[in-house]
Amino acid sequence: GAVVSQHPSRVICKSGTSVKIECRSLDFQATTMFWYRQFPKQSLMLMATSNEGSKATYEQGVEKDKFLINHASLTLSTLTVTSAHPEDSSFYICSASPSGIYNSPLHFGNGTRLTVT
Amino acid sequence: SQKIEQNSEALNIQEGKTATLTCNYTNYSPAYLQWYRQDPGRGPVFLLLIRENEKEKRKERLKVTFDTTLKQSLFHITASQPADSATYLCALGPGANNLFFGTGTRLTVIP
Repeated sequence: GAVVSQHPSRVICKSGTSVKIECRSLDFQATTMFWYRQFPKQSLMLMATSNEGSKATYEQGVEKDKFLINHASLTLSTLTVTSAHPEDSSFYICSASPSGIYNSPLHFGNGTRLTVT
Repeated sequence: SQKIEQNSEALNIQEGKTATLTCNYTNYSPAYLQWYRQDPGRGPVFLLLIRENEKEKRKERLKVTFDTTLKQSLFHITASQPADSATYLCALGPGANNLFFGTGTRLTVIP
């Protein structure tokens, strides 16, 4: 089955530093990947749609300069949280689906728990 | 804007019973609806997809119904087991690969 690998699973960083999270589709190509943020006992909130070879599409209220997304290949998207602050602490999850398959289920990574001290 | 409600934040049932979870939506006409399972500290795992022209879908002990008139989906787990304990999310598709998720129902199956 389709596997999405997300790394790291946990990261603790100091306020003001930047953190990069990687999302890889291991056995399929994905022209589009999605980045979500999830707070405890809340649903997944879509942050941005990552498009291979072009700029990401950000949801309303998400700062594109703070959450940098790069989708350089059909199997890799990265999310960089720049100048992290404690309020950025959250669970970040990426997802992808095989390219060009309409209505196909999303395959999720196992998430990254970010703690900013 | 669209709104998705899973009307039980938490549901406790006895092992062996059927668990029924509800997903209601408003201001929306989804092309399809999906159900996912999420364990603590993990990403969601896809379970079932049902399209707008389908009324029911089954997979092993799972059954999903989709009523576009009521704007509701029901998710059933028959012969529930403690291993079924998790949070279950419904998600609606606007016709592309993007999905809008409900807040989830945390199911606990009591031995």
